[in-house]
Amino acid sequence: DIQMTQSPSSLSASVGDRVTIACRASQSISSYLNWYQQKPGKAPKLLIYAASTLQSGVPSRFSGSGSGTDFTLTISSLQPEDFATYYCQQSHSIPFTFGPGTKVDIK
Amino acid sequence: QVQLQESGPGLVTPSQTLSLTCIVSGGSITSDGSYWSWIRQSPGKGLEWIGHTYYGGSAYDNPSLQSRVSISLDTSKNLLSLNLRSVTAADTAIYYCAKNYCTGGSCYSGDFDSWGPGTLVTVSS
Repeated sequence: DIQMTQSPSSLSASVGDRVTIACRASQSISSYLNWYQQKPGKAPKLLIYAASTLQSGVPSRFSGSGSGTDFTLTISSLQPEDFATYYCQQSHSIPFTFGPGTKVDIK
Repeated sequence: QVQLQESGPGLVTPSQTLSLTCIVSGGSITSDGSYWSWIRQSPGKGLEWIGHTYYGGSAYDNPSLQSRVSISLDTSKNLLSLNLRSVTAADTAIYYCAKNYCTGGSCYSGDFDSWGPGTLVTVSS
């Protein structure tokens, strides 16, 4: 199985801050990397697929980059509704696997 | 986007079979390129892909579940089902059904853009 790791596991930030979350795969997954946002009591929401393609309706302050084993999710200017947990997930091979998550909370 | 809704017992006895269904509305489970997955989330193991199936094809499940999984489609009711046999407390989780993302005639089997709200299943005697 492909193992996914994320860093940091949590971070505190203020509205307007630039936030960066890293994700690493245990082997090359090309660009088969997705990012999800999850709020308490809700299902995950797809934000970015194929490493850098924004899902329809997702604000442009979200961006993704990377390929191979190292990926990044960036929120250019954190908004109040962005406080949530973010997960990366590889869709390169079965079984699909998720990272452990990064919780973004209010400083 | 389709809408998904899971249902099933919230409490299952250890060693028994966990059975869930997911009603699909706003689209057909027979749509070309559509993959129907079960995913679970527990505090201890995070998000875990259980498996998926698609109309006219085979089901694939996560080897970590040691062949305890059965996933199937019911086209007459437009729903998918999950059976997980020989459950233990480690199977306690929120269970989600999910559909893959399709756009412009292309579908991506491992990209999940439609999710049900999830249903909590507790394994306990």
